[in-house]
Amino acid sequence: GEDVEQSLFLSVREGDSSVINCTYTDSSSTYLYWYKQEPGAGLQLLTYIFSNMDMKQDQRLTVLLNKKDKHLSLRIADTQTGDSAIYFCAESENTNAGKSTFGDGTTLTVKP
Amino acid sequence: SQTIHQWPATLVQPVGSPLSLECTVEGTSNPNLYWYRQAAGRGLQLLFYSVGIGQISSEVPQNLSASRPQDRQFILSSKKLLLSDSGFYLCAWSVRGTGSKNIQYFGAGTRLSVL
Repeated sequence: GEDVEQSLFLSVREGDSSVINCTYTDSSSTYLYWYKQEPGAGLQLLTYIFSNMDMKQDQRLTVLLNKKDKHLSLRIADTQTGDSAIYFCAESENTNAGKSTFGDGTTLTVKP
Repeated sequence: SQTIHQWPATLVQPVGSPLSLECTVEGTSNPNLYWYRQAAGRGLQLLFYSVGIGQISSEVPQNLSASRPQDRQFILSSKKLLLSDSGFYLCAWSVRGTGSKNIQYFGAGTRLSVL
């Protein structure tokens, strides 16, 4: 079945850039996503990218997609302490049920 | 605007007791609905999903069941809880159809501790 892999932990200094990486196996994925989870809360969509795009920028967030290598990354510029959270990479199937497969999440710690 | 409600937020139950977690969505019709479990420090495991009233698909064999008695209501149940049922349960919805972006919108979650 589909699989999404990402590193479990990342620690950066406030003001630095953070890059979270993800690999996926389903080449038919139509959309790929980044979700953010704050402690004790549900997940919130941060951004998504359509599979025919290479890059998407949204304020401090930049998503890069390499379809050939099935590699997705999320870059957060000028990382703030409020960015500390768990970040999930996900892909979805293009079906009526719209199921998504999530990675195990990368815990980002931002040190002042 | 659409909202999703999950309750209770926290639940402590003894082993062998029944369980009922409820999730409702407002502001949309015919959503896809999902139940996930998140074990401590782990990713999301899809438990059930539903594309319509009374239509439930189970992703993993387990001690839990789900029901969708109304279009925007999704219930997760168990007749007898096990210790291994402890975890953080998340309900989510998405717009149905192959033309949608399949973005999932999550509730705030229920923290279940089985003792």
